[in-house]
Order: sequence, then C-alpha cells, then structure tokens
Amino acid sequence: NAGVTQTPKFRVLKTGQSMTLLCAQDMNHEYMYWYRQDPGMGLRLIHYSVGEGTTAKGEVPDGYNVSRLKKQNFLLGLESAAPSQTSVYFCASSYSGTSLTSYNSPLHFGNGTRLTVT
Amino acid sequence: AQSVTQLGSHVSVSEGALVLLRCNYSSSVPPYLFWYVQYPNQGLQLLLKYTTGATLVKGINGFEAEFKKSETSFHLTKPSAHMSDAAEYFCAVSRYNQGGKLIFGQGTELSVKP
Repeated sequence: NAGVTQTPKFRVLKTGQSMTLLCAQDMNHEYMYWYRQDPGMGLRLIHYSVGEGTTAKGEVPDGYNVSRLKKQNFLLGLESAAPSQTSVYFCASSYSGTSLTSYNSPLHFGNGTRLTVT
Repeated sequence: AQSVTQLGSHVSVSEGALVLLRCNYSSSVPPYLFWYVQYPNQGLQLLLKYTTGATLVKGINGFEAEFKKSETSFHLTKPSAHMSDAAEYFCAVSRYNQGGKLIFGQGTELSVKP
C-alpha cells in the first residue's frame, strides 16, 4: 500500500517555464488537496477536489491550475513559473464517507516536491 | 475567519523534560482540531485530533492535547521528551461545514538536547 505518491521529488525551473506535479493515491479517497509549505507560514491550501472531475480554489490559487480526471490522480500545473512559487508542495488525500467523517478525517500526505524557480 | 496561532517557532527541551507546544485558534463555531508532525524530508502525519466528547485527547508516541474552549487553546504535551521527537509540529483547525479543509498554524520546530 503506497498511500500518496508525488512525482517528481525535486525540480528546478527557470522563470516562465511550465511543469506539472503528479499526485497519486491508492486508498480510494474522494478528497484530494494541494498545499505549499513555506518557512514560517505553515501549509497553505492551493486547490482541492472533492471528487473525480471536480476542483475548487483554496487560499492561494493564483498561478496554479489543477485537474482531477481520475479519482486516484490530482495534477497541479504551473503554466509560467515565477520565483515566488519556489516552495515545497504537498499533496494530501482524505476519506469522505458521511459528511461528519469527511470533516474530521485525517489527511494522508505525500513526501513532497521541492521546487526551485530561478 | 478561522485562524490558528502557534506560539513559538522554535522550542528546545532536554531529553526527559516536559514538551509543551502551544496552539490557539479562532473560530465562530466549534472547531475540529488536529496536531500533525513532520519529520525531515517527509510529509505530515496525524498525531491526534479533537472532534467532540472528551476534551483530553491522546495521540501516538505518548503525546496528548487538551481542548479548552474558554481559552480557545489546544496545546500539545508530552511528559518526557525523547530524541526521536525532534520534528516540526503543526496545529490545524477545520470547521464542520468546510469539507475537510484544514487551516494550519505556522509550525513549531522542536529540538531535543541530549
């Protein structure tokens, strides 16, 4: 059981380049999330999805796009990378089930992607 | 709006000493509260959570936290620190009507001295 897998683990981009981060989960979770982690700021939600074919904006969505074409995959895209997007990106998933359990189900995190934009 | 404040970005304790990591939240409705731990180069793992019921919550690795509504706090404690507890700890809050979205605090890095 791999849990949540993120690829790649590291990436260096030049300003203006594009890339896609892939997140895959094998736990049949409905909810998936993309967070970015920056020193002293904790984790901030970029986008999330409550099911296949759905996406929604989080706290810091500008400059990012996402897609959830398959239940197990959640892609995060950067169309034109900027130095301000240098960060560690974490994907997470959680079970939904009843509305109550969805609100307090723990998040399962991947190990992160360290992105540097020069 | 909800928010989470963790007091102290760095906490250092000696091995065997009490660990106390502070977390205060703001929420207009009863929140669900979580503590996560992050070891170097890894994702976050759930330590414990408070939803309803008993206000003293026990988690993994000997950690526990107490929900105090009057103080809007959810501090994390462990009676005796171990070297393996060195990590970054995050407090987080969600509301029942926000579908699992968590608001994280800025994190507290715990160092344990031998």
